[in-house]
Amino acid sequence: EPEVTQTPSHQVTQMGQEVILRCVPISNHLYFYWYRQILGQKVEFLVSFYNNEISEKSEIFDDQFSVERPDGSNFTLKIRSTKLEDSAMYFCASSVGTGAYEQYFGPGTRLTVT
Amino acid sequence: QKEVEQDPGPLSVPEGAIVSLNCTYSNSAFQYFMWYRQYSRKGPELLMYTYSSGNKEDGRFTAQVDKSSKYISLFIRDSQPSDSATYLCACNSGGYQKVTFGIGTKLQVIP
Repeated sequence: EPEVTQTPSHQVTQMGQEVILRCVPISNHLYFYWYRQILGQKVEFLVSFYNNEISEKSEIFDDQFSVERPDGSNFTLKIRSTKLEDSAMYFCASSVGTGAYEQYFGPGTRLTVT
Repeated sequence: QKEVEQDPGPLSVPEGAIVSLNCTYSNSAFQYFMWYRQYSRKGPELLMYTYSSGNKEDGRFTAQVDKSSKYISLFIRDSQPSDSATYLCACNSGGYQKVTFGIGTKLQVIP
């Protein structure tokens, strides 16, 4: 069964460093999403992406964040200058059509900022 | 007021019990209602989604939505220890609009 994959599973970085989180969505999916989950808190929407453009972003997704689909398979989230409060699980998700209600999540990348 | 409210639990039930998990929401624009299961330190796994009010059944799982009261339920019949996980309710207005999650209810099914 096709699945969303994410790398790395765990990333440790120092405050102020740039990180890139990588995702490979399900191959025939067209819509891509990033969410984060701070430990003990709810899953929060960051951004949705379609046709090489951001479709929607939350107030969390400020200028420090960017997304890119550099080739036909990868979808990346970049955090330019990490802060302690960026420590969280970051989940990539994808959906085949316009139905965000039927999106499938990857296993997540645990980001620890020290 | 939080857009999607969910009791975090934990909820402990004996194996074989019927489990009832619930959420309320405040945004009248929500049209789709989802239930995800999340094991510790894993990604959410979509169990089922429902459009508008009504019921939807999938095996031992039944989702119920009452838009008039903004109330969402998930029932699990004949619960198994493998059902032990956190259950997240989520809502969306349709299309590729963002999905808004509840905090999740932690369920433990005791053998």
